Amino acid sequence: EAGVAQSPRYKIIEKRQSVAFWCNPISGHATLYWYQQILGQGPKLLIQFQNNGVVDDSQLPKDRFSAERLKGVDSTLKIQPAKLEDSAVYLCASSSTHGTTAYEQYFGPGTRLTVT
Amino acid sequence: RKEVEQDPGPFNVPEGATVAFNCTYSNSASQSFFWYRQDCRKEPKLLMSVYSSGNEDGRFTAQLNRASQYISLLIRDSKLSDSATYLCVVNRASVGTYKYIFGTGTRLKVLA
Repeated sequence: EAGVAQSPRYKIIEKRQSVAFWCNPISGHATLYWYQQILGQGPKLLIQFQNNGVVDDSQLPKDRFSAERLKGVDSTLKIQPAKLEDSAVYLCASSSTHGTTAYEQYFGPGTRLTVT
Repeated sequence: RKEVEQDPGPFNVPEGATVAFNCTYSNSASQSFFWYRQDCRKEPKLLMSVYSSGNEDGRFTAQLNRASQYISLLIRDSKLSDSATYLCVVNRASVGTYKYIFGTGTRLKVLA
């Protein structure tokens, strides 16, 4: 079974530039998550999709971050404009659900973003 | 106060030692519990789910204490390859869905 795919793996941009990340979850997984992980910290949820609908974006800085999952499969996360503090690893994860039962999450390899 | 708290470590232990990590959570509505392992510059991977009755997988034992709201991970006979960060993850219902809350992780270094 193919895992969660992410691209690019690394990205270096200057502050105030824009950047986009792509994620393709495991086939059949309805729930997709974007996390931000800063060095030395645990992953922080940015946004959670159930199929193509947003179920939690309470920690997404909406003035600069946006995400979509138009067809309920792959997803993109965009930052515009980037700030120095956005330097982090952006992890995409997916999980299957059955009713209200949550199953384990599978993570992609992440995109390491450096903002200079 | 963070919803999920872990001692960040690092825990430096010799090969063959037994080491235990604890994790506390503050929301009594938490439903599911997991330990994930994260190697340096890699993504987190599920180590084991934690069940109320406690569960064991080889050298790893996980326990849950709902009354005191903590979970634990015990690693016996530590190997060099166990060196990693161990993330405590708690799952709870949230506004018609559920969410996973991660601790900051506990770093383990197994020394030769």
